[in-house]
Amino acid sequence: DTGVSQNPRHKITKRGQNVTFRCDPISEHNRLYWYRQTLGQGPEFLTYFQNEAQLEKSRLLSDRFSAERPKGSFSTLEIQRTEQGDSAMYLCASSDRERGEQYFGPGTRLTVT
Amino acid sequence: DQQVKQNSPSLSVQEGRISILNCDYTNSMFDYFLWYKKYPAEGPTFLISISSIKDKNEDGRFTVFLNKSAKHLSLHIVPSQPGDSAVYFCAASNWGVTGNQFYFGTGTSLTVIP
Repeated sequence: DTGVSQNPRHKITKRGQNVTFRCDPISEHNRLYWYRQTLGQGPEFLTYFQNEAQLEKSRLLSDRFSAERPKGSFSTLEIQRTEQGDSAMYLCASSDRERGEQYFGPGTRLTVT
Repeated sequence: DQQVKQNSPSLSVQEGRISILNCDYTNSMFDYFLWYKKYPAEGPTFLISISSIKDKNEDGRFTVFLNKSAKHLSLHIVPSQPGDSAVYFCAASNWGVTGNQFYFGTGTSLTVIP
């Protein structure tokens, strides 16, 4: 068990560009979560997958954000037309049961210049 | 609005003493609570959880207390060790209302002084 991995670890992009992050959950975990964390704040829920189905999305999630989990394995989070306010740490977590503890990856730090 | 609050941004404790981290919540429908620990450059790591049907849960040096009437929970670490120095987040959820959404507090940075 290698844990949850995220790539890239750091991404610097210019405003208006599109970016895509990848998350590889723990292999036997069918539940996958994306969070965003800004400085001085706790993780903020973005979206949730059970297998390949995206079951929940935060009301705060802009239309510029889209997430996928094809085949119920890895997941991608894409941000289109990035804005400076998108600068944050993007965390992925996985779990093997409902309301079970989540195992977090190290995160992808996005900086939009 | 911040439904889970950790009002102490930082806490310093001597090694061997008790660390008490506090968390308050506003949504009385929350029925499941967790504590996570986070080291720099790593994702949060699960520590301990408690369901609203209990008022205490213990795991080794870590104990979580839940006071539903006060909408307050606390994490006790006894004895504190230098390796416990990290940021601690509490999180809350309610399956019937928030589904799989967990609401996190802003974190408390604990420093254990050797």
